[in-house]
Amino acid sequence: GESVGLHLPTLSVQEGDNSIINCAYSNSASDYFIWYKQESGKGPQFIIDIRSNMDKRQGQRVTVLLNKTVKHLSLQIAATQPGDSAVYFCAENRRTGRRALTFGSGTRLQVQP
Amino acid sequence: DGGITQSPKYLFRKEGQNVTLSCEQNLNHDAMYWYRQDPGQGLRLIYYSHIVNDFQKGDIAEGYSVSREKKESFPLTVTSAQKNPTAFYLCASSFGTGGRLGSETQYFGPGTRLLVL
Repeated sequence: GESVGLHLPTLSVQEGDNSIINCAYSNSASDYFIWYKQESGKGPQFIIDIRSNMDKRQGQRVTVLLNKTVKHLSLQIAATQPGDSAVYFCAENRRTGRRALTFGSGTRLQVQP
Repeated sequence: DGGITQSPKYLFRKEGQNVTLSCEQNLNHDAMYWYRQDPGQGLRLIYYSHIVNDFQKGDIAEGYSVSREKKESFPLTVTSAQKNPTAFYLCASSFGTGGRLGSETQYFGPGTRLLVL
């Protein structure tokens, strides 16, 4: 069935490097995407969102890229810090059927000092 | 101090017992959601409610029940029919479901960890 999936379950980077977390989606009706960060034992926190009429959106140290042609979403974190270590989830609003976000399985980001 | 609160932080359930997890929000959000998260896994939707006195089943509703009598509150009951209830339960809310820009963005509470004795 259709799903939001991630390419890598765990990503390990050196402090100060840039991180790229990827997400694939398969529902062409999805028009809104969100990235969340979840630290151990806590609820997910909103990081950044993007609509399907955009291909790039920037926040503070984060950039989300959307490629609708290949149904691919990525989160780029600049100058990764130890505090960025967490699990990152992408979520999509599919606009069909159930009116609720669909979450991917997550990527764990480990920042090495 | 606005936000979503969940209580308790930890909850222990005896076999055959029903337990209720609390979720309250003062964000004036119309929609509320319950998710279950197992270790190392993503979020699975249990129930959601877009308006007071109305709620819908998610992907894993069996063994759970909810009510939405007030806009601010969306309690989740884990019944004895749920045979594997040990998990991290997350409540979320959103302004709406997409009618206006960003309204479907969900904001999460701190979670309740349910353990079985």
